[in-house]
Amino acid sequence: IAGITQAPTSQILAAGRRMTLRCTQDMRHNAMYWYRQDLGLGLRLIHYSNTAGTTGKGEVPDGYSVSRANTDDFPLTLASAVPSQTSVYFCASSPGQGSPYGYTFGSGTRLTVV
Amino acid sequence: GDSVTQMEGPVTLSEEAFLTINCTYTATGYPSLFWYVQYPGEGLQLLLKATKADDKGSNKGFEATYRKETTSFHLEKGSVQVSDSAVYFCALERTNAGKSTFGDGTTLTVKP
Repeated sequence: IAGITQAPTSQILAAGRRMTLRCTQDMRHNAMYWYRQDLGLGLRLIHYSNTAGTTGKGEVPDGYSVSRANTDDFPLTLASAVPSQTSVYFCASSPGQGSPYGYTFGSGTRLTVV
Repeated sequence: GDSVTQMEGPVTLSEEAFLTINCTYTATGYPSLFWYVQYPGEGLQLLLKATKADDKGSNKGFEATYRKETTSFHLEKGSVQVSDSAVYFCALERTNAGKSTFGDGTTLTVKP
């Protein structure tokens, strides 16, 4: 079934540790996105990529980095985790910038930083 | 900048009641409009969309009409079921924006 695979599903991480959240899509979508979802704060965009080889900052990029080496993969890295990064992280994709088709979302990674 | 304002929740209804969740937007030009649904413990799923004024999106008994004159895209369903309990997000995307703008979500609980 075409879609987005995120890994891990959940993780408990010690503060100060480095962590990479994985995101892979098999739809050949050009654009990919990382969001975090916190209770009462809705979805907040962390980073995005409109095409392989390019990335951009969203509204809450501090403490996170991304890369887009190819079309399918868009990993999100926390260089040194802090408790405020405890959240549910969603990866999403769309055919392209300004697409009228909407986004496809993954099932999320629940991250707890202790 | 672009913005989406949704009716505040939570919304609690009895089964078979009529549902309206209001959504208004601010954007230049003619954005595409979307409703997403998030069931407990899952990611968001695209529920319906409309790409131009007066278009009606529909899916699973839900409907929303793109009203350019009132900049609105209200979600409606004639008879809700317990299985419709979820969080609903309204969103827009402009052609050159590079990313969608989401509302804060409205939690719907349907009681038997």
